[in-house]
Amino acid sequence: RKEVEQDPGPFNVPEGATVAFNCTYSNSASQSFFWYRQDCRKEPKLLMSVYSSGNEDGRFTAQLNRASQYISLLIRDSKLSDSATYLCVVNGGSSNTGKLIFGQGTTLQVKP
Amino acid sequence: DAGVIQSPRHEVTEMGQEVTLRCKPISGHDYLFWYRQTMMRGLELLIYFNNNVPIDDSGMPEDRFSAKMPNASFSTLKIQPSEPRDSAVYFCASSSGQREKLFFGSGTQLSVL
Repeated sequence: RKEVEQDPGPFNVPEGATVAFNCTYSNSASQSFFWYRQDCRKEPKLLMSVYSSGNEDGRFTAQLNRASQYISLLIRDSKLSDSATYLCVVNGGSSNTGKLIFGQGTTLQVKP
Repeated sequence: DAGVIQSPRHEVTEMGQEVTLRCKPISGHDYLFWYRQTMMRGLELLIYFNNNVPIDDSGMPEDRFSAKMPNASFSTLKIQPSEPRDSAVYFCASSSGQREKLFFGSGTQLSVL
């Protein structure tokens, strides 16, 4: 089983749609969670951190479910510029906190 | 700050040759990571350093790969000898703490013929 798993997609949605991505992780001791965005042929960039209580940043909402070991990202009112690959990132657990493991990524294509 | 700087941006080499990738982290960052990205396997962590000391190199594929961080402002990833299956984008990233966000360099596109 991979340490961090994501549905690769692609998710094809029209502008204005709401889309949600899930990510599961295998190490129950993981403590840090992030969503990164990667545009084609570019480096990944931090989209948002994920906190236990859930957090929101404009049209983006991240949730953490420790019991089920999954993280979600919700994008409301999709824009063409949201088209990218979204990467779930989890740290390696209490014994290896500095190790950040990336999921394979979920590709989103927003269509006019 | 200039961000994380990697060189070269592109490297084309022949099988069997030695390849050296270079990285300059953001000043003041004490964590440095080397990742490799391919279509098949996504982003894989190869090795990471804390205060110039390698902490976890379990992702280094085999003995042909080696990484060093002689000081806080420079790291290298070396492949010797290189093979076609090493073709990938290699990213270096740095952070200011073990739970802080990563800043990535622009990557090195490596093609081994």
